Amino acid sequence: EAEVAQSPRYKITEKSQAVAFWCDPISGHATLYWYRQILGQGPELLVQFQDESVVDDSQLPKDRFSAERLKGVDSTLKIQPAELGDSAMYLCASSQPTSGGQETQYFGPGTRLLVL
Amino acid sequence: AQTVTQSQPEMSVQEAETVTLSCTYDTSENNYYLFWYKQPPSRQMILVIRQEAYKQQNATENRFSVNFQKAAKSFSLKISDSQLGDTAMYFCAFKYNNYGQNFVFGPGTRLSVLP
Repeated sequence: EAEVAQSPRYKITEKSQAVAFWCDPISGHATLYWYRQILGQGPELLVQFQDESVVDDSQLPKDRFSAERLKGVDSTLKIQPAELGDSAMYLCASSQPTSGGQETQYFGPGTRLLVL
Repeated sequence: AQTVTQSQPEMSVQEAETVTLSCTYDTSENNYYLFWYKQPPSRQMILVIRQEAYKQQNATENRFSVNFQKAAKSFSLKISDSQLGDTAMYFCAFKYNNYGQNFVFGPGTRLSVLP
């Protein structure tokens, strides 16, 4: 069964350092999401791609976060510089959009970031 | 903007018993989808069940069923014959019935199934 791949699974870094997360969606899925999930809370959308284009990045802290999906397949989320408050799980999800809006999101295992 | 509320941060249930998790949402739209996702400890999030707002019939997936009350904007999840493997965080989510619209998640309910 196809799955969303993410790496690394765990990342420990010091504040002010740069970190990058990678996501490979399920083959053929045009929509890709990056979420941040603080421990004990629900996922919050950071950025949504449709193919290589950003559909929604209104909640992305653009002074330190960036995301790209250059060829419309895999994606990278970067934080530079990392801050203590960035410690969280970063989830990637993908879906194949439908005209009726009923697509199902498939989530990856996530990258757990700890900023010291 | 739409919001999703889950008023029960934690719940527990005995194995083989039935438990209901609550979810309410706020929207002025008429066409949308509602979802329940499950996130087991240290494992990835998976879809449990989905409900189309235009359907009056409540969705059912094996031991999982929903009680969808559109007028009350309520979407509860019932788990029958609870199993130890049902222990997880459960998230209620909302999505407009439009191409490309994103999902909004509630804060989650931590369910523990006790032996």
